[in-house]
Amino acid sequence: EIVLTQSPGTLSLSPGERATLSCRASQSVSSSSLTWYQQKPGQAPRLLIYGASSKATGIPDRFSGSGSGTDFTLTISRLEPEDFAVYYCQQFGTSPYSFGQGTKLEIK
Amino acid sequence: QVQLVESGGGVVQPGRSLRLSCAASGFTFSGYGMHWVRQAPGKGLEWVAVIAFDGSIKDYADSVKGRFTISRDNSKDTHWLQMSNLRAEDTAVYYCARYSGGYGFDYWGQGILVAVSS
Repeated sequence: EIVLTQSPGTLSLSPGERATLSCRASQSVSSSSLTWYQQKPGQAPRLLIYGASSKATGIPDRFSGSGSGTDFTLTISRLEPEDFAVYYCQQFGTSPYSFGQGTKLEIK
Repeated sequence: QVQLVESGGGVVQPGRSLRLSCAASGFTFSGYGMHWVRQAPGKGLEWVAVIAFDGSIKDYADSVKGRFTISRDNSKDTHWLQMSNLRAEDTAVYYCARYSGGYGFDYWGQGILVAVSS
């Protein structure tokens, strides 16, 4: 089973700042099967990034993904108020299709 | 537009059964694999089960294997999660999600609450 570990658990930043979220896998993950989701309270997750670095439809340019192998990163270049949420990485290349435990991005 | 609507949730006693439904619209249902993902109160996301586009392949998380069964009827644009021998730790919001190959889980339902309690 591939375990995804996200860090930090909570990230406190102000609007306009840059956010860097990490996702580390216990074994190598194909970049084509690494995704990032955003979840706001009371809502379903929303696909942000697929293939480790491609933005899903309608996702603003301030979101970007990078990485390969066991280390992946989600970057939000300049935080907007609506970006404060919980972010999850997921791999769907190997069953079970695991999620990271999430990073909560909160307003400082 | 793509829509996924879950139903069938509720409060159930430990050891009992429940069947969740996920009705799809706005896309060719028979062309997509479908997943169930759950989220316990205040916790993260946990993948539960998947069924291939034609129903030929099914897979489950170890935590539900032998108790949950996923199925689909492409003529009804619907798939189901039959949950048996429910435990308190199965309490969660259950989401159905569409699997779009390299795009991952691109559409999700709004979620349905299952509470297992005596």
